[in-house]
Amino acid sequence: AQSVTQLDSQVPVFEEAPVELRCNYSSSVSVYLFWYVQYPNQGLQLLLKYLSGSTLVKGINGFEAEFNKSQTSFHLRKPSVHISDTAEYFCAVRQSNDYKLSFGAGTTVTVRA
Amino acid sequence: SAVISQKPSRDICQRGTSLTIQCQVDSQVTMMFWYRQQPGQSLTLIATANQGSEATYESGFVIDKFPISRPNLTFSTLTVSNMSPEDSSIYLCSVLLGQETQYFGPGTRLLVL
Repeated sequence: AQSVTQLDSQVPVFEEAPVELRCNYSSSVSVYLFWYVQYPNQGLQLLLKYLSGSTLVKGINGFEAEFNKSQTSFHLRKPSVHISDTAEYFCAVRQSNDYKLSFGAGTTVTVRA
Repeated sequence: SAVISQKPSRDICQRGTSLTIQCQVDSQVTMMFWYRQQPGQSLTLIATANQGSEATYESGFVIDKFPISRPNLTFSTLTVSNMSPEDSSIYLCSVLLGQETQYFGPGTRLLVL
């Protein structure tokens, strides 16, 4: 079975500053990795995913993430945040031979002017 | 991606009653999933719903409490039976596209009094 740990429960950040959200996973087999965002009172929206190939993946809204197999991490970054990036961010992992997603506990990002 | 809708978007129910949540997707998909997101928590998989077969439930979830139907490749329902205040949550459906990625509906926000 796989598991996901999001190392930061809350991240306050000022507008136009960079942000990094940390995610570590454990799995005995190869994995697919995902970041989802949940804006207030909405469902989950896919930000980006890593399936294979280049370890640096770019997503929507200027976000990117880097897969690091040796450190079993998939940290999410954005160089300059906007007020509209205030949301809950979830890291998720699934094993390549299973369809079930396991989610981290989530990181609340609050962007202040 | 896919366009996924859920009905109702929110509801307030009395304890002891049941609520059926509908999930509709705009394309045919083999696998659909139902998740629960309790207040301030991450997502927990309730069950996997495949067309033409019984739903597969995760540990801690039973068919008597959460019966699921999957009559065709674009539609599924989840019923929350004999509700108690502990069932107050957001219920989300998701679909698997491209064999790798789950896309989520907007969620149904349920409050049980």
